[in-house]
Amino acid sequence: AQSVTQPDIHITVSEGASLELRCNYSYGATPYLFWYVQSPGQGLQLLLKYFSGDTLVQGIKGFEAEFKRSQSSFNLRKPSVHWSDAAEYFCAVGNNAGNMLTFGGGTRLMVKP
Amino acid sequence: DADVTQTPRNRITKTGKRIMLECSQTKGHDRMYWYRQDPGLGLRLIYYSFDVKDINKGEISDGYSVSRQAQAKFSLSLESAIPNQTALYFCATSDWASGRSLSYNEQFFGPGTRLTVL
Repeated sequence: AQSVTQPDIHITVSEGASLELRCNYSYGATPYLFWYVQSPGQGLQLLLKYFSGDTLVQGIKGFEAEFKRSQSSFNLRKPSVHWSDAAEYFCAVGNNAGNMLTFGGGTRLMVKP
Repeated sequence: DADVTQTPRNRITKTGKRIMLECSQTKGHDRMYWYRQDPGLGLRLIYYSFDVKDINKGEISDGYSVSRQAQAKFSLSLESAIPNQTALYFCATSDWASGRSLSYNEQFFGPGTRLTVL
């Protein structure tokens, strides 16, 4: 069965600092990987996705993620965090049948002024 | 207007009551999903539907039922609500796409319904 682990429940960074959110997945085949962001009171918005090709993928709002097959990881990064990035971030893996996304538990990001 | 809408946005009910949450979409997608979100657990799939005649159980379907009234409408029902069904519920949609295409598996989410069962 597929699974996703986000080891950090909460992360606090200062505005302007760099950010890395960790995601580890378990899936037997080449995964479809996603990062979503949930702002307070909002639904989930897709930041970026990976399913093949270049292992470094660019997304919206200045985010990027790197797929590392050897480490079963898909970490999300941003070089300089803005206060508006404060939100909850979810990593997800999709199966080959295209009928299920499995989400991690989420990482709540707080940004200090 | 939002592409995926959910009604109501908030609902407080009592144990044993029947509750229906509704989802409508204007994206023209065939596939629709219901998830619940609990703190620390992320989102878990309750039911999904790939077209009007196709309904499938997800990871946590016990205590829930669904109805796909039309391509654009997918409702979630709690026949007899219990307190541990207190959660944030999300509807999502996706388009059919061939495997390995860029849009495969990509889901679009509604704003959520916060349900409290007392």
